[in-house]
Amino acid sequence: DAKTTQPPSMDCAEGRAANLPCNHSTISGNEYVYWYRQIHSQGPQYIIHGLKNNETNEMASLIITEDRKSSTLILPHATLRDTAVYYCIVASGYSTLTFGKGTMLLVSP
Amino acid sequence: GAVVSQHPSRVICKSGTSVKIECRSLDFQATTMFWYRQFPKQSLMLMATSNEGSKATYEQGVEKDKFLINHASLTLSTLTVTSAHPEDSSFYICSASGQHLNYEKLFFGSGTQLSVL
Repeated sequence: DAKTTQPPSMDCAEGRAANLPCNHSTISGNEYVYWYRQIHSQGPQYIIHGLKNNETNEMASLIITEDRKSSTLILPHATLRDTAVYYCIVASGYSTLTFGKGTMLLVSP
Repeated sequence: GAVVSQHPSRVICKSGTSVKIECRSLDFQATTMFWYRQFPKQSLMLMATSNEGSKATYEQGVEKDKFLINHASLTLSTLTVTSAHPEDSSFYICSASGQHLNYEKLFFGSGTQLSVL
């Protein structure tokens, strides 16, 4: 069963903000929202995670709606190197990560 | 951040041979390691979870006698694909977590592309 729903692909111009949405309407109270990305032929890379508050780090910002049923990953100034598949995953601290199909983000010059 | 080293990055072998893939945590003790498989244009599929010093737990549909996992130390886990066949050709990825299962601390190797001729 898919716990998250993401658009299969998105485009973004270099230098602009990339906003990647994720729906997780069945998220339970103890589950976090995690974002990973996978650049072609490499292992996934952790980006950010959150429970209910918005989070920001050096890579991205995570905006979680008040009802926690959806979230948005924001890359404030996308570069060509941000082209990757972005995975939104919901998981509690003691469960394994299940990867969906993710969103293929293509950043163009 | 912490580093997980996976070796080899690419291997080509003949059908019927066995291939060993190593996954090392370089600067932390990995109590749990995960092995994933990824076919072209598909997502990662968890194959097995291994805890140091104990037998691995395999996901449904993954043959434990074909995909041998050894996690004998806190810094090394190996996956051996025995009697490999062309349908085993895939991208294999390991990941490791530290003592407390915190997914901020789940780091992935760079993957191994296995091609079986």
